Amino acid sequence: DVKVTQSSRYLVKRTGEKVFLECVQDMDHENMFWYRQDPGLGLRLIYFSYDVKMKEKGDIPEGYSVSREKKERFSLILESASTNQTSMYLCASRLLGQGELFGYTFGSGTRLTVV
Amino acid sequence: GNSVTQMEGPVTLSEEAFLTINCTYTATGYPSLFWYVQYPGEGLQLLLKATKADDKGSNKGFEATYRKETTSFHLEKGSVQVSDSAVYFCALRANAGGTSYGKLTFGQGTILTVHP
Repeated sequence: DVKVTQSSRYLVKRTGEKVFLECVQDMDHENMFWYRQDPGLGLRLIYFSYDVKMKEKGDIPEGYSVSREKKERFSLILESASTNQTSMYLCASRLLGQGELFGYTFGSGTRLTVV
Repeated sequence: GNSVTQMEGPVTLSEEAFLTINCTYTATGYPSLFWYVQYPGEGLQLLLKATKADDKGSNKGFEATYRKETTSFHLEKGSVQVSDSAVYFCALRANAGGTSYGKLTFGQGTILTVHP
């Protein structure tokens, strides 16, 4: 089975800190995604990457950046964490052209609290 | 742009009750439609899907039919179990061109709790 691993399950950071959320997938998927999940808002797309070194803004990219230097790893960066970035962050990946068959594979999420 | 609207939750049912979670969408063209489920402490898992009008997706006793005329994809199950307690997300994926291609757009999520 494809596995998407997010490095931390829970994180607590201070306002103004630079925060790195890491995501690794083990099945050579081209496409990777970062979503945030908030009650009543569902999942909202922050950034996605079609392939190595490629990135595209999603619906809510402000305050975030990403890095995809290797195919298996997609990092989400909060340049200067703020309390309104307290949320659950979900990483997902999919094989190019196979989204119809298998959907996306999601990690278990990182619950980030900014104090 | 694309959007997905789910019925307000939370939904609380007794075991063996009938479940419906409504989902409607707005999209250009012919999107693919999905239901994802998130069990406590876990990421999202694909529950079922439909890729064209009148398709019926089914899995684990859950069903949903792609209704283009009503732009709906309601989730149903005839007899729920305690183990079905989870958060359910309806989602769409634009299929043809444009900047939305390949991305999933999710609804708000519906919390389902099933009591014995």
